[in-house]
Amino acid sequence: DTGVSQDPRHKITKRGQNVTFRCDPISEHNRLYWYRQTLGQGPEFLTYFQNEAQLEKSRLLSDRFSAERPKGSFSTLEIQRTEQGDSAMYLCASSLGGAGEAFFGQGTRLTVV
Amino acid sequence: GQSLEQPSEVTAVEGAIVQINCTYQTSGFYGLSWYQQHDGGAPTFLSYNALDGLEETGRFSSFLSRSDSYGYLLLQELQMKDSASYFCAGYRDDKIIFGKGTRLHILP
Repeated sequence: DTGVSQDPRHKITKRGQNVTFRCDPISEHNRLYWYRQTLGQGPEFLTYFQNEAQLEKSRLLSDRFSAERPKGSFSTLEIQRTEQGDSAMYLCASSLGGAGEAFFGQGTRLTVV
Repeated sequence: GQSLEQPSEVTAVEGAIVQINCTYQTSGFYGLSWYQQHDGGAPTFLSYNALDGLEETGRFSSFLSRSDSYGYLLLQELQMKDSASYFCAGYRDDKIIFGKGTRLHILP
C-alpha cells in the first residue's frame, strides 16, 4: 500500500466554478477525515466518515461543501460556487479506528482566482 | 468549546532539548497526539498519549496530564531536520482537532 493519495495535487479554478477532489485512503482504514489548512494555521476539521457513513460535518462549513464516501473506500469532497476564501490546502487523512495515528495525504492545493 | 493552545514559535539550538507545550479546553476530550509538518509536506504522526504520563519514542517524548488539561512534546538532541511545525491534536467523539501549531526554528 502506498499510503493516502489525493488527486489532484493542485487545482486552479475561477470563482463560481465547482471543484471536486478525491481521496484514496489506506485500504483497511475505516476512518476518513477531511481537513482544510491555510498558511500558518493548523488543519481545520471539515468532516469525517466511519466506513461509508458521514458521522459529522463541521458547523462552520458552508452548504456549498459536500463529501461522500460511497462504498466506504475512496472519498470525494465537492465545493460548489467556489469563492476566493476557499483557497487553501485540502487534506485527507485515514485511520484504523478513532484515536491514535492518522495518516495524511499530500493534499490538494486549491487556488480560486 | 474545544480548543488547543500552543506557542506560535519556539527557537532552539542544534543539539539542545526543546519542549513544546499544549493546553486544551474541551469537554469529552480523550487522548492527545502530536504531528510534525515540514513546509510543503503533509502532517506526520509522532506520538499519542491516551493516559497520563510520558511516552518515549527515540529522540521524541510526549507527556499528558489530563487533570491539568496539559501536555507537551519534548525533542532531544535537536537536528536541523527537526525544523518544522508541530501540532498537538485532541480527540473528541473520534474527531481529531488540531491546535494552530508551533513553528520550531533551530539555530546551528
